[in-house]
Amino acid sequence: AIRMTQSPSSFSASTGDRVTITCRASQGISSYLAWYQQKPGKAPKLLIYAASTLQSGVPSRFSGSGSGTDFTLTISCLQSEDFATYYCQQYYSYSWTFGQGTKVEIK
Amino acid sequence: EVQLVESGGGLVKPGGSLRLSCAASGFTFSSYSMNWVRQAPGKGLEWVSSISSSSSYIYYADSVKGRFTISRDNAKNSLYLQMNSLRAEDTAVYYCAREGAKSPSDYWGQGTLVTVSS
Repeated sequence: AIRMTQSPSSFSASTGDRVTITCRASQGISSYLAWYQQKPGKAPKLLIYAASTLQSGVPSRFSGSGSGTDFTLTISCLQSEDFATYYCQQYYSYSWTFGQGTKVEIK
Repeated sequence: EVQLVESGGGLVKPGGSLRLSCAASGFTFSSYSMNWVRQAPGKGLEWVSSISSSSSYIYYADSVKGRFTISRDNAKNSLYLQMNSLRAEDTAVYYCAREGAKSPSDYWGQGTLVTVSS
């Protein structure tokens, strides 16, 4: 199975900060990469698919980039509602796999 | 509005069985592939299984292969997960999710908790 590794696992940031989360695949996955946001007790929410396509309704401060094995999720100006855990997922081949998650906490 | 509502979770003893259901509404269910994803308490997300719109293609994670069976009834707009030979490590919230046209899971249900314990 393709292994997805996110970094960092957690970090603290302030409202207004620009933050970047990285995701690395153990083998090339082209652009078959999605990003999700999850808040405590809630279902995950799709933010980005195909590595860089913003899901409908998602604020434009979220962006994604990368292809092959290295990907990034960027939040250009962190808002209070963005404090959550973020997951990447590859859907290049079954079994689909998720990264371990990155928790973004308030500084 | 797309809605996915899971049911059927609960407490079951190791070795037992449980059948989860997911009722879909707000979209043409028969046109979409569907997925099950789980999350153990305090842990990350784990993809469990996927089924194509006509049930022609079915995939399982190695961790559940041979024990879990995914199925669907397009006439009833429902997705199912039959779970047999349950283990403590199957304890998790189980989510059903719709596979989007170009994305793996664009809509998710609220989840149903399965607890495997004696």
